[in-house]
Amino acid sequence: SYVLTQPPSLSVPPGQTARITCGGDFLESKIVHWYRQKPGQAPVLVVSDDRDRASGIPERFSGSKSGNTATLTISWVEAGDEADYYCQVWESSSEYVVFGGGTKLTVL
Amino acid sequence: QEQLQESGPGLVKPSETLSLTCNVSGGSIDSRSYYWGWIRQPPGKGLEWIGSVYYSGYTYYNPSLKSRVTISIDTSKNQFSLKLNSVTAEDTALYFCARQTAVAHTVVSPWGQGTLVTVSS
Repeated sequence: SYVLTQPPSLSVPPGQTARITCGGDFLESKIVHWYRQKPGQAPVLVVSDDRDRASGIPERFSGSKSGNTATLTISWVEAGDEADYYCQVWESSSEYVVFGGGTKLTVL
Repeated sequence: QEQLQESGPGLVKPSETLSLTCNVSGGSIDSRSYYWGWIRQPPGKGLEWIGSVYYSGYTYYNPSLKSRVTISIDTSKNQFSLKLNSVTAEDTALYFCARQTAVAHTVVSPWGQGTLVTVSS
């Protein structure tokens, strides 16, 4: 089965930059989406198609990909950015959606 | 944009069948542009995609759950359903329904609020 690997946790001081990574085999040939899930809430799309911000998402959020690693970058981190972040792809060979294990972002 | 709402029993006995329904409002479920999917999240854990259904009834399933899952669609009621049979305690989770774009690199958005299903005798 296809696996997307994310760091379980990341701590960043307010005002700094958070970089959440997502790695997987052949990721360079796949399209990555990112979701944010705050406690007690459903996930919300943050970035689609590797780098397109979803509607209503601040410009502080950006997506990129290099080789087999995708990165969600959150600039000028705020307390309200504390959440779990998940990457996601479509695994075409077996035809199913795969989520990364999630990264818990803590704003110190 | 559509709104999705899950409904169904919050408690299911081991070995029985879990059944949930997702009602879609604010748009038509027979759109050719979308699939309609189910995702679950065990308490304190990450997201696991279960499967999705197209307006035509065509389905995709997670290979790890495929043998126990059936997802169906009722366009007359603008809703779709999940059945997961032979449940165990490991199927205890928050179950979300969601819309997926009908493209190869499908995006899951928006999501319902989720419904907690506990498997226990």
